[in-house]
Amino acid sequence: AQSVAQPEDQVNVAEGNPLTVKCTYSVSGNPYLFWYVQYPNRGLQFLLKYITGDNLVKGSYGFEAEFNKSQTSFHLKKPSALVSDSALYFCAVRVRLLSNNAGNMLTFGGGTRLMVKP
Amino acid sequence: NAGVTQTPKFRVLKTGQSMTLLCAQDMNHEYMYWYRQDPGMGLRLIHYSVGEGTTAKGEVPDGYNVSRLKKQNFLLGLESAAPSQTSVYFCALGGGDRETQYFGPGTRLLVL
Repeated sequence: AQSVAQPEDQVNVAEGNPLTVKCTYSVSGNPYLFWYVQYPNRGLQFLLKYITGDNLVKGSYGFEAEFNKSQTSFHLKKPSALVSDSALYFCAVRVRLLSNNAGNMLTFGGGTRLMVKP
Repeated sequence: NAGVTQTPKFRVLKTGQSMTLLCAQDMNHEYMYWYRQDPGMGLRLIHYSVGEGTTAKGEVPDGYNVSRLKKQNFLLGLESAAPSQTSVYFCALGGGDRETQYFGPGTRLLVL
């Protein structure tokens, strides 16, 4: 079964410092990986995705993620954290629902709360 | 939220009551999904639709029904609500082979 793990429930970082939110996955075949962010009482907002190609993916709000096939990881990173980055972050992997590629489910990790302190 | 709306935003139900959640889009996406979000568990797929008139079960379909009579609308029904259905429900669009799924603002449901 395909799965995603986010090993840290919470990550604390000081404003201006680099941040990393960890994600590991287990899939059969080539993984399609996603990061979403959720602000309080809001829906999920798409940050970035890895489908194929360059292992370093750049996304919204200065975030990037590095795909590492040998370590089955897709960690989210940002060089300099902002207080406004404080939110709940979800890693997800695409799972095909039907053999003809009609529709894809996302399997999510449990989420990591990022707290950026001034 | 990528042209997707959910109604209602919040609802309190008593055990055994029924209700319908509406997801509406103005973007002409074929694929629509209903997820539920529970603390520490991420989001889990309840039901999905790959086009008008089609629906299928996801990971956690028990206690829910869905309909997609019109392409723009995807309805999620609870026939007899249970406290275990207390959750935040999200509708999503998109998700073709390489497509991103975009999520609605959510419906918060409390079943007493």
